[in-house]
Amino acid sequence: DTAVSQTPKYLVTQMGNDKSIKCEQNLGHDTMYWYKQDSKKFLKIMFSYNNKELIINETVPNRFSPKSPDKAHLNLHINSLELGDSAVYFCASSQAGTSGGETQYFGPGTRLLVL
Amino acid sequence: DQQVKQNSPSLSVQEGRISILNCDYTNSMFDYFLWYKKYPAEGPTFLISISSIKDKNEDGRFTVFLNKSAKHLSLHIVPSQPGDSAVYFCAASVWGNEKLTFGTGTRLTIIP
Repeated sequence: DTAVSQTPKYLVTQMGNDKSIKCEQNLGHDTMYWYKQDSKKFLKIMFSYNNKELIINETVPNRFSPKSPDKAHLNLHINSLELGDSAVYFCASSQAGTSGGETQYFGPGTRLLVL
Repeated sequence: DQQVKQNSPSLSVQEGRISILNCDYTNSMFDYFLWYKKYPAEGPTFLISISSIKDKNEDGRFTVFLNKSAKHLSLHIVPSQPGDSAVYFCAASVWGNEKLTFGTGTRLTIIP
């Protein structure tokens, strides 16, 4: 059973289009995240949701809108795609621990190419 | 502002020997550190973590050492195996803030 899954795995689209990436976790975690890995392979957080509420928004353009219908799902919708949006997008989830520090578990990634 | 740095982009080690991957950080508020392993076309896989109240954590062939005064952590893999060939990321967070800050990764190649 895949713990954190993402669809689609690959996405090729034209500039200006709107697209969505879906993420689901079956770990029972209460926090989910979106990360972007750019061409320099740098992994950077975009958003975090805890129990369907936005808790982290790292100055991402408002063309990116996360949506969490329930705590097991966190989808990412991107409007008016630009060439610079081409990257690998990773979803992750974690569960707060009483001893501090949360280990995040990642999905396989969605490779987005904007032409 | 690169708060977590992995200064070696690549490292080659003979099979059976020790692999040592290094990571430095600048934010003294970080108190939880993790290592992830990543194969091509896959997501990062959690390996091992350490909180700032410890200076060492061990899990099988993997040991993480934390030197808070030097703001430095390292991952030791002993013995190194061909399947360990991957990109290794260190990451750090502040307790109570779920945001992980990642280093840029070190590509480890194990030579048979």
